Parts: sequence; C-alpha cells; structure tokens
Amino acid sequence: GQNIDQPTEMTATEGAIVQINCTYQTSGFNGLFWYQQHAGEAPTFLSYNVLDGLEEKGRFSSFLSRSKGYSYLLLKELQMKDSASYLCAAVDSNYQLIWGAGTKLIIKP
Amino acid sequence: DTAVSQTPKYLVTQMGNDKSIKCEQNLGHDTMYWYKQDSKKFLKIMFSYNNKELIINETVPNRFSPKSPDKAHLNLHINSLELGDSAVYFCASSLTSGGTDTQYFGPGTRLTVL
Repeated sequence: GQNIDQPTEMTATEGAIVQINCTYQTSGFNGLFWYQQHAGEAPTFLSYNVLDGLEEKGRFSSFLSRSKGYSYLLLKELQMKDSASYLCAAVDSNYQLIWGAGTKLIIKP
Repeated sequence: DTAVSQTPKYLVTQMGNDKSIKCEQNLGHDTMYWYKQDSKKFLKIMFSYNNKELIINETVPNRFSPKSPDKAHLNLHINSLELGDSAVYFCASSLTSGGTDTQYFGPGTRLTVL
C-alpha cells in the first residue's frame, strides 16, 4: 500500500530551528509537496521537490532523498505565526497525491 | 480577487437532509478537486474533474454527487446527510491534472450534521 509518515505534533521555541520529517512509500514517485495549514484555514503551498537535495526559500527549506524515501521541511528563525500544521504529500506513478496526516507545529515564546 | 471560493463557509443541518456546496475558481485552471478533512485533520481526496470530466472518484458513498457545469465550477451535492459526514470540505484547483501542479485551496466549508 501507499503510505506517508510524519510526526503528529512537534513543539519548538520562537527564534529556533525545527525540522519536520516525512517518509513515504508510494508506487512510483513524481515529487513531493509541503503545504502549510493554519488552524481553521485552507492549506497553502510551500514547496515542491522532485530532485534530490535541498531547496531554500527564505526561512523555509525543503530536502528530498529519493533513494531513502525521505523528505524534511526546515524552518529557521521560528516566528509565532509559524504555528500551523505542515502537510507532506507525495505524487505517485499515476500522478495522484498521497497525503500525510500532517504535523502540528506549536511555537512557544 | 479570490482565487478559489466556496459557499457556504459554515453549514449546520439535520440528519437526513440534502445540501449543496458550491465552488468556483477564477485562476483559469483545468482541474478541480473536492477533499474531506475530518477531525483528525487528514485530507482525503473525494473527486477530481478535468475540464468538466470526472477523473478521480475515490471510494465515497453515492450520496455524494459532484457536478461540474463548466471548468470554473465544481459543486458537491450530498443526499441524506449522516452524522459521519460532519467535516470540513475543501475545494481546490490546479492548472492541469498532471499531479505535479500546485493545488490552490478554497477556504473550506465546515459541515455539521446534528
């Protein structure tokens, strides 16, 4: 079967760095998305990786290792507004998105 | 300027009723989706339409019927509502059905069945 695993909840301190991991098992692979979802709001796009390596976008970076079936989202200089759920989604061989259950990130002052 | 809009934002209704949720996108995208997000926050794909044609139809009770009058609109009709239908329903769109295009989500419709 197809599966996405990510931690249910993480806590970090304002100003710190946090890494949210995601492992995936899919039939085929055509890339991986990260979305951010604030409580009571819609998911919004953060990143898409299809090649191995790290892609940096301001305070947020996303890493992919295809051979390990692994990705992480790195958030630097954490701000209170970063408190949200972070959803990992892999694209399978049929170009369908397989969604993880999301990681709820709590930022403490 | 809203890219993907849904109405209503909140829907409270009794078991057994029939209700509809409307979705519109002004992004010029070809593909639209309906997702259900339950209390555990898991996003589950229900349907996907590409240029008014159904392309994804996951295992969903046939009480749920999508309708796409044109590629900018995808409505969801639910018959004989049940308690378990309570959830947030998100509409989304993407440029194509290719799967690697970013999906843009509407604000969600919080459905509560009493």
